[in-house]
Amino acid sequence: DAKTTQPPSMDCAEGRAANLPCNHSTISGNEYVYWYRQIHSQGPQYIIHGLKNNETNEMASLIITEDRKSSTLILPHATLRDTAVYYCIVRSLGIYNQGGKLIFGQGTELSVKP
Amino acid sequence: DAGVIQSPRHEVTEMGQEVTLRCKPISGHNSLFWYRQTMMRGLELLIYFNNNVPIDDSGMPEDRFSAKMPNASFSTLKIQPSEPRDSAVYFCASSPTSMGRVTDTQYFGPGTRLTVL
Repeated sequence: DAKTTQPPSMDCAEGRAANLPCNHSTISGNEYVYWYRQIHSQGPQYIIHGLKNNETNEMASLIITEDRKSSTLILPHATLRDTAVYYCIVRSLGIYNQGGKLIFGQGTELSVKP
Repeated sequence: DAGVIQSPRHEVTEMGQEVTLRCKPISGHNSLFWYRQTMMRGLELLIYFNNNVPIDDSGMPEDRFSAKMPNASFSTLKIQPSEPRDSAVYFCASSPTSMGRVTDTQYFGPGTRLTVL
């Protein structure tokens, strides 16, 4: 799987948009970008994923650059409960043992402040 | 939907003892994953089952670790004998992946915090 690079930490004011960047410059054509988050003392939670197009769901938006070498997760109105470690993961399609594992890096620790 | 259920939530044991962690995946999910999380190494995949069959155990640290999935609704991760370096949070996750395709998301349980003294 392609490796990802994320800033180790970020702050965001409550009510403002949180924009979390991720670089994945070696991503290949069949690899998706996945985002998970882990709130303290809980298991990781799926947020969103995408291949080429921008995606939006009830939790967040995912913006993927045209060259697919980077992406941004956007939490439109961050709340204190969004304080967590956010993981950007690149994984491929297809048979699991050909590279479909979820490989977690160090992630970005997002602190939402009042 | 109860989500992935893990037990116990906390386990404290002494070095050399056998430890068994349990997981009940989400009903209908046919893939199950065991992960371990430590401060030093982060989240690591230990083993993956598909349709109750172990597919990839390359992440299992050593022979002291074993995992089973006797049926679609239950899995165990056993450590025998346990050592202090096994202290970690162990997560179980399940996914509706079918035919080995992995575009589906994984749903994680709350984890078991293991402390080996």
